[in-house]
Amino acid sequence: DAKTTQPTSMDCAEGRAANLPCNHSTISGNEYVYWYRQIHSQGPQYIIHGLKNNETNEMASLIITEDRKSSTLILPHATLRDTAVYYCIVRVGPGGVTGNQFYFGTGTSLTVIP
Amino acid sequence: DGGITQSPKYLFRKEGQNVTLSCEQNLNHDAMYWYRQDPGQGLRLIYYSQIVNDFQKGDIAEGYSVSREKKESFPLTVTSAQKNPTAFYLCASSPIPGQETGELFFGEGSRLTVL
Repeated sequence: DAKTTQPTSMDCAEGRAANLPCNHSTISGNEYVYWYRQIHSQGPQYIIHGLKNNETNEMASLIITEDRKSSTLILPHATLRDTAVYYCIVRVGPGGVTGNQFYFGTGTSLTVIP
Repeated sequence: DGGITQSPKYLFRKEGQNVTLSCEQNLNHDAMYWYRQDPGQGLRLIYYSQIVNDFQKGDIAEGYSVSREKKESFPLTVTSAQKNPTAFYLCASSPIPGQETGELFFGEGSRLTVL
């Protein structure tokens, strides 16, 4: 069940900001946006999540549009170690009902170029 | 350190043999999940369990079986009925929504190759 749409691949110069878009036009009012990344042959790693306000942590910033139909993950100063596949997922978050699962699409393959 | 441990990391088996992949977590999470990943593809849900002694089929459960006898453990058996078992298998756990932030924590994966 594809609830999100992401570009297949993107490049970013090292040291520049990487902006990864995600469309989730059918998002429900109680669904959060989660971002994960997966470095080759490793388990996915949680990055950030949000409901409607913009969020920032030590890894990234998440910008969610006012209508919540799209979001952008921002890596402010990309490094070579940020080369990975980035997944955008919508699901019921804290306070939600059980049984709602994480569905991973194919994500965006980000390549950071030296 | 708290986390999820999958074993073995690499596994080779002959066609027709059942294989069991181990997943153990010490995060005190209620929910556990198994995903399968094929080259260049996203993750697909095989089975999940929200509580001990209960589990549900995901999108691609055929040819797989699981058990959840303990909160910490959620082993996956790849049976001979699974037609294309060669893949990267990922185990994950999470608090039930309503607790903490609800995100998934993943193990490092098990790569199964059937010869």
